[in-house]
This record gives sequence, structure tokens and C-alpha cells, in this order.
Amino acid sequence: DIVMTQAPLSVSVTPGESASISCRSSKSLLHSNGITYVYWYLQKPGKSPQLLIYRMSNLASGVPDRFSGSGSETDFTLKISRVEAEDVGIYYCGQLLENPWTFGGGTKLELK
Amino acid sequence: QVTLKESGPGILQPSQTLSLTCTFSGFSLSTYGMGVGWIRQPSGKGLEWLANIWWDDDKYYNPSLKNRLTISKDTSNNQAFLKITNVDTADTATYYCARICGASYVMDAWGQGASVTVSS
Repeated sequence: DIVMTQAPLSVSVTPGESASISCRSSKSLLHSNGITYVYWYLQKPGKSPQLLIYRMSNLASGVPDRFSGSGSETDFTLKISRVEAEDVGIYYCGQLLENPWTFGGGTKLELK
Repeated sequence: QVTLKESGPGILQPSQTLSLTCTFSGFSLSTYGMGVGWIRQPSGKGLEWLANIWWDDDKYYNPSLKNRLTISKDTSNNQAFLKITNVDTADTATYYCARICGASYVMDAWGQGASVTVSS
């Protein structure tokens, strides 16, 4: 199985500041078709996960452009610019390259 | 607008079979490239992908539970199903279904989740 490792476990951010969350995969998520199959989800308190970024750097519909995704074949970053109160929750990275699809352990974002 | 809603028994006993239903709208599982996935989350823990079913009835299972899982669909009624046999307390979790949009290869819409407790 591909192991997804996130860091840090939690991050505390002042509203208006930026935050970055890292995710590392145990093998390359770059397919031969040139697409990198890493995804980012946010689970707000008491809610189901919602898609933020798909295929490493594509912003999902309705997601503010304060969110951006980047990375290489095995190292990925979710950046949140100008953090707002509505961004609080647990962020998960996930890979859809190989079965079984797997997720990182999550990074909890809270406000200072 | 795409919506999904999971339903299940709420509570069941060890060794029983868990049957879950995902009722969705806003898309069809007969449309080329569409799929539905099941994911679960024990309370306070992370996400575990369980299974997918695709428009062409192709099915994929998490090998760690494969022998216990059966995924199916009813295209005419916009439903997908998941059965887990021989449950135990480790299967206690919130179970989510999600649409898989094949064109972008992404789970882009999730249901609200169904809480399942396995207890004697």
C-alpha cells in the first residue's frame, strides 16, 4: 500500500496569515500520463470531507483561490493564504493512483 | 446539484452483516466514467477507503477487507450498496459514500455519513 504521511499533526495560525501543510507519499504518484494523483480534502468539525484540490494542483469548484496545491512526485504541499475562521478543521491528503486508495493521518488547523 | 445520503442500521451485533445504502441525485451511475466509492472513519481517526463501483459495473475493493466486502448498484433507482460480513467492534465508524467523477478522476462529492456501531 502507498503510505501517505502528513506534517505537522497540527498547526495554529493567526487569521490573515498563511499556512502550509506537507504530505509525503511512499512512492511516486506521477502516472505515465503526466498526471499526479494526489488530492486534498478539508473536514470541518462535525462535517464530511470536502474536496479542495485534485490531481495535485487543480482547485475544486467553489473553493477559494486562497488554497493552492503543489509538489513533485512524492512531496506535496497545500498552501492556504490569508487564513480565515472558516478554514478550521482537519486537512487530509490522499492518493488515487493505486488500489487501495489511501489517505494521510490528517493535519488539524486551528486559529490563534 | 450532486447530493448523496448514506443509510444503515445504526447499531448491530458482532458477526452480523452490515448493509449500507447510498442514495444519490444529480448524476447517474449509468453515465460513462461515473463511480461511487465507500470510505469509513472511526470516531476521531482518519479515512479508510473501502470499495468503488463504476458505471460499467467494474468493482474494486480494499484488499485488507476484500473477503468481507460486496459493493453493488441499482442504476434505475440511483443507489449504491455496500455489505460487510462478519462485523466486529473494529467496524464501528462513520461510513461515507462519495461520487467519483471519472473525467477528473476525483471523489468530488461526499454524503453526510452514516454512523454504525457494532456492539454486543
